[in-house]
Amino acid sequence: LAKTTQPISMDSYEGQEVNITCSHNNIATNDYITWYQQFPSQGPRFIIQGYKTKVTNEVASLFIPADRKSSTLSLPRVSLSDTAVYYCLVDSGTASKLTFGTGTRLQVTL
Amino acid sequence: DTEVTQTPKHLVMGMTNKKSLKCEQHMGHRAMYWYKQKAKKPPELMFVYSYEKLSINESVPSRFSPECPNSSLLNLHLHALQPEDSALYLCASSQHPGGSGTGELFFGEGSRLTVL
Repeated sequence: LAKTTQPISMDSYEGQEVNITCSHNNIATNDYITWYQQFPSQGPRFIIQGYKTKVTNEVASLFIPADRKSSTLSLPRVSLSDTAVYYCLVDSGTASKLTFGTGTRLQVTL
Repeated sequence: DTEVTQTPKHLVMGMTNKKSLKCEQHMGHRAMYWYKQKAKKPPELMFVYSYEKLSINESVPSRFSPECPNSSLLNLHLHALQPEDSALYLCASSQHPGGSGTGELFFGEGSRLTVL
């Protein structure tokens, strides 16, 4: 089971790019990396998933180096509404192993 | 319809009560999950149903009893709970429980449970 490590918290100003890194040293060959966003008293919401190199969608980019032992979620030009907890998960394709790490609390201010 | 609907949103119960939480999805997903989340902590996986069969029970006490009557519905029956069971209970679904990455988990808004 690949354990993930993330910074507990990060602060940013509105309009800046935010990069949140997740360490997953024990990732297995078939594992995917998935990121979720959670606002208080709401369920987590899927942001992005990737296997290697770079994945981009309308809200974020995910960078995964060749060794896949870490990944970086990049949020371009954050706004106040991006204040939330961000979780990195290693998805082995086995439902039982969808375990959330401690998450990173992002605080965006003016 | 890309929603997971959970009811009730809030529930207060005594330690001797029997109550149930309900979760519904109409996306044709074949995997459904129950997570428990305490304040300022990450969600913890409790149960997983794959194709309406219980595939994972993460050592959850028997006072929590899951049920999957059909592919769209997931229940969590509660009996003789303790105050420390107070938490946000989240239901989620995914298209399939295995394969090349489980893919996106769709979460409901959660049911906030308070045990007195």
